[in-house]
Amino acid sequence: EDKVVQSPLSLVVHEGDTVTLNCSYEVTNFRSLLWYKQEKKAPTFLFMLTSSGIEKKSGRLSSILDKKELFSILNITATQTGDSAVYLCAVDANYGQNFVFGPGTRLSVLP
Amino acid sequence: DTEVTQTPKHLVMGMTNKKSLKCEQHMGHRAMYWYKQKAKKPPELMFVYSYEKLSINESVPSRFSPECPNSSLLNLHLHALQPEDSALYLCASRPIGRGTGELFFGEGSRLTVL
Repeated sequence: EDKVVQSPLSLVVHEGDTVTLNCSYEVTNFRSLLWYKQEKKAPTFLFMLTSSGIEKKSGRLSSILDKKELFSILNITATQTGDSAVYLCAVDANYGQNFVFGPGTRLSVLP
Repeated sequence: DTEVTQTPKHLVMGMTNKKSLKCEQHMGHRAMYWYKQKAKKPPELMFVYSYEKLSINESVPSRFSPECPNSSLLNLHLHALQPEDSALYLCASRPIGRGTGELFFGEGSRLTVL
């Protein structure tokens, strides 16, 4: 059975801290891993990773994939209160027929 | 603004009602999805329409029925729902035929079943 695990499940930090969120997976027919940020409504797309070792960056956020060890990390530097959200990791596990989501990491950034 | 449009944004219905959730995209995406998300849980796949074929998660009860009138629309018909069906229903689309692509989500339809 395809599985995506995220850790930690929740995290509380103060503004300015750096955080690392983890996502590990066991799936058949891996094609890509995606990170999403979800506040009150629909998830918003952050990154899509398909190749090992290539870091993707967007402002203070970055992510990398290790296909040998089957995991990805999402880094957020200099956190802000606006980063407070649930961060979801999803894996394209069946040629796009299903994206399997992890449980999410709930990040709270305190002022 | 999202390019996947879901209506209505909020729906309250009784257990004997029949209602529909609508989802539309004009990005030319050829795969569309319905996900169900309960509070503090990740989205769970209900239906996928891709390559002009509908795939169903076998755990989804028959009181939910999808309809795909054309490649831009994927509706979800609701009948005789239970209170435990109350959730956020997310529609998503993605491009296919050019390798992988991310899911584009609509804003969701929040359903309450009384």
